[in-house]
Amino acid sequence: GAVVSQHPSRVICKSGTSVKIECRSLDFQATTMFWYRQFPKKSLMLMATSNEGSKATYEQGVEKDKFLINHASLTLSTLTVTSAHPEDSSFYICSATSGVPGELFFGEGSRLTVL
Amino acid sequence: RKEVEQDPGPFNVPEGATVAFNCTYSNSASQSFFWYRQDCRKEPKLLMSVYSSGNEDGRFTAQLNRASQYISLLIRDSKLSDSATYLCVVNPRAAGNKLTFGGGTRVLVKP
Repeated sequence: GAVVSQHPSRVICKSGTSVKIECRSLDFQATTMFWYRQFPKKSLMLMATSNEGSKATYEQGVEKDKFLINHASLTLSTLTVTSAHPEDSSFYICSATSGVPGELFFGEGSRLTVL
Repeated sequence: RKEVEQDPGPFNVPEGATVAFNCTYSNSASQSFFWYRQDCRKEPKLLMSVYSSGNEDGRFTAQLNRASQYISLLIRDSKLSDSATYLCVVNPRAAGNKLTFGGGTRVLVKP
């Protein structure tokens, strides 16, 4: 089946630094990828929709200058958390659609801890 | 009111028993519905789609009630491996995959 790989799975950084998370679709082309964040025992919250070759569409309340999304190819989208703060610590998950309605394949998630 | 609401649980279920839980959604124009499963600290995975006529996949049965705007999931003959959080997912549009996730219902199956 379709596989989405996310890297790194875990990252610890100092406050004020930037962290880049990669999301790759391994065996299919994904024109659209989604980025979510999930706090402990909470639901996934959609942050933005990443479209290949164009600017990402951000959800209300998500700072586009803080969460930079780049979707330069059909198999790779990146999320960069800029000037990270402790409140940015969360589980970030990407997903890609195979084209089948409702069927999203999720990356393994990246657990970010900002000290 | 949240777009998609679920009882967070946990539902403590004896092994072999049946458990059922619902999910309500607020957008009456929602087009499609799904149940995803998420294990602790893992990514969500599609469990099954929910069709208007109801559908069954092995021990799992999903139903949709458009009039009352809820979907349900029933698990029969629960296994220890069924322990997970079950996410109710709604697609409010006819096209695209911009899905809305519920907070999840946690199920714990115990021997």
